[in-house]
Amino acid sequence: DGGITQSPKYLFRKEGQNVTLSCEQNLNHDAMYWYRQDPGQGLRLIYYSQIVNDFQKGDIAEGYSVSREKKESFPLTVTSAQKNPTAFYLCASCPTALPTEAFFGQGTRLTVV
Amino acid sequence: EDKVVQSPLSLVVHEGDTVTLNCSYEVTNFRSLLWYKQEKKAPTFLFMLTSSGIEKKSGRLSSILDKKELFSILNITATQTGDSAIYLCAGRGDNAGNMLTFGGGTRLMVKP
Repeated sequence: DGGITQSPKYLFRKEGQNVTLSCEQNLNHDAMYWYRQDPGQGLRLIYYSQIVNDFQKGDIAEGYSVSREKKESFPLTVTSAQKNPTAFYLCASCPTALPTEAFFGQGTRLTVV
Repeated sequence: EDKVVQSPLSLVVHEGDTVTLNCSYEVTNFRSLLWYKQEKKAPTFLFMLTSSGIEKKSGRLSSILDKKELFSILNITATQTGDSAIYLCAGRGDNAGNMLTFGGGTRLMVKP
C-alpha cells in the first residue's frame, strides 16, 4: 500500500546526543516536509524539500538538519544544538505538479531524558 | 509571513450539538485552504477549499471558504464522541514548496 512511514514511533534522547528520525514514502511525491508539534499546538515547519538533493529551511530550522539523497527518503536529524527537542515530529509529502492535500506519516514522539 | 489563526482554542460540547470552528488566514498568493482532523497521531485530511462560497460536505461535516473575508469555517452537526479531536486548518499560497501554513488548531471534546 502507498503511504508514508516514519520510524521510530517513540525515541528517547539524552542531552547532547544527535538523533535521526526516518521518513520514507512510496507515493512518488516530489515534495516532502518535516513539522514539529508541541502539546496542544499546531504544526510548525522545520524543513522542506521539493526535489532530490535540494531542501530549504522552514520557520524553525535551527538545531535541525536534513538530507534528500533519494526521492523516497527525507530523514531529519535533531542535533544537540536544538535546546528543546521534546516534541511530536510529523513528516508529510505532497505532489508538486498539482498540489493536493499533504499526506502525513504517523509521527515520532521524541523525548529528551 | 503567512499566518493562519484558528478559534476557539478549545471547545467542549455534548453529543448531538452542532459546532462551528473558525479559521482566518493571511496567505500570500493564496491557492487553497485545507482542514485536517488529528485524533492521536497523523492528521487525516477532511477538505480542500479553493473557491469562495462553494460548500464542501462529507456526512455531518461541511466547510466553506470566504476569499473576500479571508475566512473559512468547519461545521459539524449532530456531534458524536468520535468527533473529539484537534481540528487543524492550513493555508497554501503559490509558493515554490507548496508549503502549508498551519493554525494552532481547535481542540474539540464531545461528551456523551
